[in-house]
Amino acid sequence: QQPVQSPQAVILREGEDAVINCSSSKALYSVHWYRQKHGEAPVFLMILLKGGEQKGHDKISASFNEKKQQSSLYLTASQLSYSGTYFCGLNNAGNMLTFGGGTRLMVKP
Amino acid sequence: DAGVIQSPRHEVTEMGQEVTLRCKPISGHNSLFWYRQTMMRGLELLIYFNNNVPIDDSGMPEDRFSAKMPNASFSTLKIQPSEPRDSAVYFCASSTGLAGGYEQYFGPGTRLTVT
Repeated sequence: QQPVQSPQAVILREGEDAVINCSSSKALYSVHWYRQKHGEAPVFLMILLKGGEQKGHDKISASFNEKKQQSSLYLTASQLSYSGTYFCGLNNAGNMLTFGGGTRLMVKP
Repeated sequence: DAGVIQSPRHEVTEMGQEVTLRCKPISGHNSLFWYRQTMMRGLELLIYFNNNVPIDDSGMPEDRFSAKMPNASFSTLKIQPSEPRDSAVYFCASSTGLAGGYEQYFGPGTRLTVT
């Protein structure tokens, strides 16, 4: 079953913040976040493993709440380069990732 | 490193024709994944291999699709016969381990159009 991402789309001005949520109806072992620019391949951002951890790099960070079966991606002080579609990939069991439908982010000057 | 290499980048074919997509994973990676991306269905896992062995092909839509990995540096995804609903972008990805704890590196994709 596909994870649910929200919002489906968001428009920001440069410097604004955004939060993208991803939730699952099944128990989670890990969460992956990827960004895909139009016409390009998805690019890995970060993995969060079971244990309720938070991670960050530069001004993009994420949290993983395994009890609530959800993860959130935080984009702080957005830059034009942040534009793209963000996907969460959930590992419920086994070794497969199931990707959400994506959140389209547009950052305007 | 060259990254994951896929060929061809674009393929246009007629319904009923055989299509073969190719992938070269990153050297040293032992897991390989084939995905299909469409507007309607998003990014779907079709099949994945570990150490050249197919582990799970439950995402393969039907018998018209087949995938092989004859060695650690090459994999193919074949569609025979192709249908218009197979039109999509097909991505190959590789990683150093299985999906849960390891990042996946995606190739540039093959855009397939079946007319």
